[in-house]
Amino acid sequence: NAGVMQNPRHLVRRRGQEARLRCSPMKGHSHVYWYRQLPEEGLKFMVYLQKENIIDESGMPKERFSAEFPKEGPSILRIQQVVRGDSAAYFCASSPRQGWTGELFFGEGSRLTVL
Amino acid sequence: QQQVKQSPQSLIVQKGGISIINCAYENTAFDYFPWYQQFPGKGPALLIAIRPDVSEKKEGRFTISFNKSAKQFSLHIMDSQPGDSATYFCAASKQGAQKLVFGQGTRLTINP
Repeated sequence: NAGVMQNPRHLVRRRGQEARLRCSPMKGHSHVYWYRQLPEEGLKFMVYLQKENIIDESGMPKERFSAEFPKEGPSILRIQQVVRGDSAAYFCASSPRQGWTGELFFGEGSRLTVL
Repeated sequence: QQQVKQSPQSLIVQKGGISIINCAYENTAFDYFPWYQQFPGKGPALLIAIRPDVSEKKEGRFTISFNKSAKQFSLHIMDSQPGDSATYFCAASKQGAQKLVFGQGTRLTINP
């Protein structure tokens, strides 16, 4: 019974490059969330997606960041033209298909370092 | 705007002692208050949660106390153990929003 799978676990990019982070939700889950954790800070909501739909992107920066959850395959968080301030841990979480229980199941995170 | 404020940022407790972490919120529409535990290099995991129709919930050594009028809730860890050393996050959500808003986190260290 695999949990939420994120890859890569660690990613190093130079300023100006693109970063792509992937997330496969738990089996039976169809809701995916992305959170960002900056050093010594809490978890900041970025975006909430269902298959082929962005439900809430109120936490996404207006530029350079995008997310998708296609009909087939994992959810992808894409950061274009990365800057040093994008260095953070990015966590994906999923929740069950049947309504909101309040519980999120988190992956182990993808740690992005921008040189 | 920080919707959920958590304190302290860090906490050191002796083994066997009581660890207490506090959170306060502003939005009265919040109706679900979980606590998450995160070990280094891992993702957060749900520890215990409460809804505002009760003032306290206990699961083993972990207790949530909830004060609706003060808009505050706290996590108490009784008989704290070195294995409890982790970062703890409080969170809140409101019906219909289907997302969690997290506090800033508390790094708890239990000294043996």
